[in-house]
Amino acid sequence: DSGVTQTPKHLITATGQRVTLRCSPRSGDLSVYWYQQSLDQGLQFLIQYYNGEERAKGNILERFSAQQFPDLHSELNLSSLELGDSALYFCASSVRRGEDTQYFGPGTRLTVL
Amino acid sequence: SQQGEEDPQALSIQEGENATMNCSYKTSINNLQWYRQNSGRGLVHLILIRSNEREKHSGRLRVTLDTSKKSSSLLITASRAADTASYFCATGEGGSEKLVFGKGTKLTVNP
Repeated sequence: DSGVTQTPKHLITATGQRVTLRCSPRSGDLSVYWYQQSLDQGLQFLIQYYNGEERAKGNILERFSAQQFPDLHSELNLSSLELGDSALYFCASSVRRGEDTQYFGPGTRLTVL
Repeated sequence: SQQGEEDPQALSIQEGENATMNCSYKTSINNLQWYRQNSGRGLVHLILIRSNEREKHSGRLRVTLDTSKKSSSLLITASRAADTASYFCATGEGGSEKLVFGKGTKLTVNP
């Protein structure tokens, strides 16, 4: 158990819908990262927050957005969902930023029908 | 984009044998990390090696890093069926705070 929690574990929704994925980092970790894992694209970095502020952006679509709240939990919002958004979404956290080990949560499996 | 590329893509061995996986990357890095993922589950951090380190051990794991060749290897000794999983290398690119993952090596350890 990495100490990173993600909810929900599974999510099934329809195209065009909007969902919110939630992540609670390990106690004391200030950085939160979001990754998407799909069969064709592999593990892709989406976005990073550090202590409430956006630090880095990766291959994140404009339909996706995220935020980190004062209690350091983070939410990833996915809107206007398409079939191709079906994937595993992972959250990871680290103490500081950059050169630290990232600890991954169990993931949220999103299925868009 | 994929930074680390693992080789081989798949590896099947018998219990007790050693398993070696390789990772190549393209740009300068701060560190290189290896992760394990059991089918459809979360990634488990195995080991981190910094750019100024050449070798690191953790239990049955041995990681080497050759920055001149931009490559790393992960050796699992005396493998067990429970080691069956996908193994990913991930690099922290110089100046960047994100991890860039390879596509992974799928290891199968047959009992």
